Amino acid sequence: GQNIDQPTEMTATEGAIVQINCTYQTSGFNGLFWYQQHAGEAPTFLSYNVLDGLEEKGRFSSFLSRSKGYSYLLLKELQMKDSASYLCAAYNNDMRFGAGTRLTVKP
Amino acid sequence: EAGVTQFPSHSVIEKGQTVTLRCDPISGHDNLYWYRRVMGKEIKFLLHFVKESKQDESGMPNNRFLAERTGGTYSTLKVQPAELEDSGVYFCASRPGGDTYEQYFGPGTRLTVT
Repeated sequence: GQNIDQPTEMTATEGAIVQINCTYQTSGFNGLFWYQQHAGEAPTFLSYNVLDGLEEKGRFSSFLSRSKGYSYLLLKELQMKDSASYLCAAYNNDMRFGAGTRLTVKP
Repeated sequence: EAGVTQFPSHSVIEKGQTVTLRCDPISGHDNLYWYRRVMGKEIKFLLHFVKESKQDESGMPNNRFLAERTGGTYSTLKVQPAELEDSGVYFCASRPGGDTYEQYFGPGTRLTVT
């Protein structure tokens, strides 16, 4: 079977750092996507990790450990506009999504 | 460059009726995907087109769902007859061919079956 787990909800304060974890168990694995989705809008691409390690892109970084079936998305210097759902998806020819983590950034 | 567009944005139909959803991918994108998000659940893969051919339709729930991509441009997803459990948001995504893995999502069609 395939299992992709991430926390349902998280809350953080503006200006802080938050880490959203994702664990996956899939039959076949090529890489790990993170998408951001604001309510009522299309998911938008944040990152794609193929190799182990940390990839940094501005305020957002994503980490992957293939041996542990684990990834995280790190958001720094949080802004109110970062309040959204963050979707983790394992890729093997097609994307298999987790249920998403709803992040609320408070002033 | 125009993004992925979907029509309609919202559809409300009665159980037993037929609905057709349309997706226009980004021009030149060979790969087109359909996904569905049922309330409170994760986004689930339905099927994948490469040009006009179905590459993978393992996620299609049952034979009430029919997807087409004649000519390899836009795609339609028909639900006939619709059931209550078909309610949800249907997303379409596209990506170019080759080693580009990022999928570009459309805004989704919210389907409500009453």
